[in-house]
Amino acid sequence: DQQVKQNSPSLSVQEGRISILNCDYTNSMFDYFLWYKKYPAEGPTFLISISSIKDKNEDGRFTVFLNKSAKHLSLHIVPSQPGDSAVYFCAASAPQNFGNEKLTFGTGTRLTIIP
Amino acid sequence: DSGVTQTPKHLITATGQRVTLRCSPRSGDLSVYWYQQSLDQGLQFLIHYYNGEERAKGNILERFSAQQFPDLHSELNLSSLELGDSALYFCASSVEVTNTEAFFGQGTRLTVV
Repeated sequence: DQQVKQNSPSLSVQEGRISILNCDYTNSMFDYFLWYKKYPAEGPTFLISISSIKDKNEDGRFTVFLNKSAKHLSLHIVPSQPGDSAVYFCAASAPQNFGNEKLTFGTGTRLTIIP
Repeated sequence: DSGVTQTPKHLITATGQRVTLRCSPRSGDLSVYWYQQSLDQGLQFLIHYYNGEERAKGNILERFSAQQFPDLHSELNLSSLELGDSALYFCASSVEVTNTEAFFGQGTRLTVV
């Protein structure tokens, strides 16, 4: 049961344009969402996060939007740069006993920025 | 450099064997998480330790076990290995018991032949 879904395995975007990566989730208990970026031969790197009490969080070129009613979040990168080429993972967490949380990851979207 | 160190980076072993993967968390981080990434899959949570105690278990097989030592480093032991255990194994650490904004190591690529 894939609770966090990234339905686009890959995405190609022209340099300077906007990249939009999408993520859907099914578990209504998720209350915190994160995006991680992964380069080959490296571990995932935290990019940006959003709490379920917000619908938008912005950090420089990166903005994450959360639509709770649709159980959908998206990551916008603008303008896209060649260094943004990587695999992007969406992740979600839900509070568990005694405040423990674990991340549930999507399968990732490979973003390629075309110069 | 995330500050999380995993060794070895690569491991090739035969079916039926046992291996130990090691993780040193970032200085000051008390939580250690283990994840498995199989081909074309997302990262699957295996187990979480906080300050030496097991806090949460995910889809971890009975053939797998882990522990966190007093110096906070962690080991993931995989036994009776099968071909399907071939994957990338990541360790992540965070300061608190919650793992928001956890920092990941480079991973150990395990190949079972």
